[in-house]
Amino acid sequence: GENVEQHPSTLSVQEGDSAVIKCTYSDSASNYFPWYKQELGKGPQLIIDIRSNVGEKKDQRIAVTLNKTAKHFSLHITETQPEDSAVYFCAATRGGSARQLTFGSGTQLTVLP
Amino acid sequence: EAGVAQSPRYKIIEKRQSVAFWCNPISGHATLYWYQQILGQGPKLLIQFQNNGVVDDSQLPKDRFSAERLKGVDSTLKIQPAKLEDSAVYLCASSLAGGPWNEQFFGPGTRLTVL
Repeated sequence: GENVEQHPSTLSVQEGDSAVIKCTYSDSASNYFPWYKQELGKGPQLIIDIRSNVGEKKDQRIAVTLNKTAKHFSLHITETQPEDSAVYFCAATRGGSARQLTFGSGTQLTVLP
Repeated sequence: EAGVAQSPRYKIIEKRQSVAFWCNPISGHATLYWYQQILGQGPKLLIQFQNNGVVDDSQLPKDRFSAERLKGVDSTLKIQPAKLEDSAVYLCASSLAGGPWNEQFFGPGTRLTVL
């Protein structure tokens, strides 16, 4: 089955700096890679996703890049703000109606004011 | 639009006791998921329903866990008997249809502590 590794497990940045979180996956057939943000006491919330036919996707201060050859993908957050502080999870799947998401272990991002 | 509702938010039980969690998905969402999230880990899918039928329960420990989704709306997840290693947050999610491209909306979860 799919295995997703995520690094780093914790990340502290100064407000206004950029943050990068990296994930690697094992199943070369995986073709959908979402990122979730989980705030304390809440469920994960989808913030951005990318499919394997695209190398990069941006949404305001958030971007995701995908390298299919190396089987890794990354989340980039620019101009970080205190409200970006949360746990971020990457995930991967082959897709299809019954294909489950395999999540990484999470990154605790702290943005210091 | 109301989100996914779960209850209770917290539950503390002793090992070998039984416990049940309830989930009310977003109205109109056909697909419902139950995840287990152990502290420091990402969510792990336990079971996926499409309407009131099971699509995937390959990671559900069926000797102690059971789930149902009556009338294709609300769902309950039960653990009987509970073990210490069942301590985790149990997340319910729903989506309009099956397949991961359909955004999954998560509830706040139920934090279970087994003593």
